[in-house]
Amino acid sequence: AQKVTQAQTEISVVEKEDVTLDCVYETRDTTYYLFWYKQPPSGELVFLIRRNSFDEQNEISGRYSWNFQKSTSSFNFTITASQVVDSAVYFCALSGGYNQGGKLIFGQGTELSVKP
Amino acid sequence: NAGVTQTPKFQVLKTGQSMTLQCAQDMNHEYMSWYRQDPGMGLRLIHYSVGAGITDQGEVPNGYNVSRSTTEDFPLRLLSAAPSQTSVYFCASKRTGGFSTGELFFGEGSRLTVL
Repeated sequence: AQKVTQAQTEISVVEKEDVTLDCVYETRDTTYYLFWYKQPPSGELVFLIRRNSFDEQNEISGRYSWNFQKSTSSFNFTITASQVVDSAVYFCALSGGYNQGGKLIFGQGTELSVKP
Repeated sequence: NAGVTQTPKFQVLKTGQSMTLQCAQDMNHEYMSWYRQDPGMGLRLIHYSVGAGITDQGEVPNGYNVSRSTTEDFPLRLLSAAPSQTSVYFCASKRTGGFSTGELFFGEGSRLTVL
């Protein structure tokens, strides 16, 4: 069975602090995909990143970076120099291989609060 | 630039009533799906469709019906609403084909309360 665990339910930081959101996944598929979505207070879901199981390169996009480690089944997300606008619920998600990209298994979400 | 459009955005029902949540996309996406979001549980897949005329069950299908008569539309029907169906519902769509796992595009959500 596939499963995504985001053990941190809530995180509170002060602006400009770095923060890491943890994501641990379980799957028996050899080909799979991992995602991060952001849900700001307005409620919509915003796609942040997709990573496939064959690509363990870390990725950096501005203040955001992602660390994918197959050995520990983790796909952690770091925000550097956090800002108030980063306050949101962040979801990690997993999908299986061929044509399963739409069937996402979501973690429980981590609510990040960035205080000024 | 409509993307995925859900209606209504808010709805209050009484137990036992039926209703349909509408979802339409204008991106010619083959794949469409419905998720529900409940506190502390993330999003869970209700039903999905890989093309017109084809639907299948997700993780939590009980109490919901879907059909896909056109590529654009994927309505979700609650046959006899129950308080346990109080939730925020999201419709999503994406391209399919081969190993395509492009991002899911989500609608803005529909908040349903069943009294």
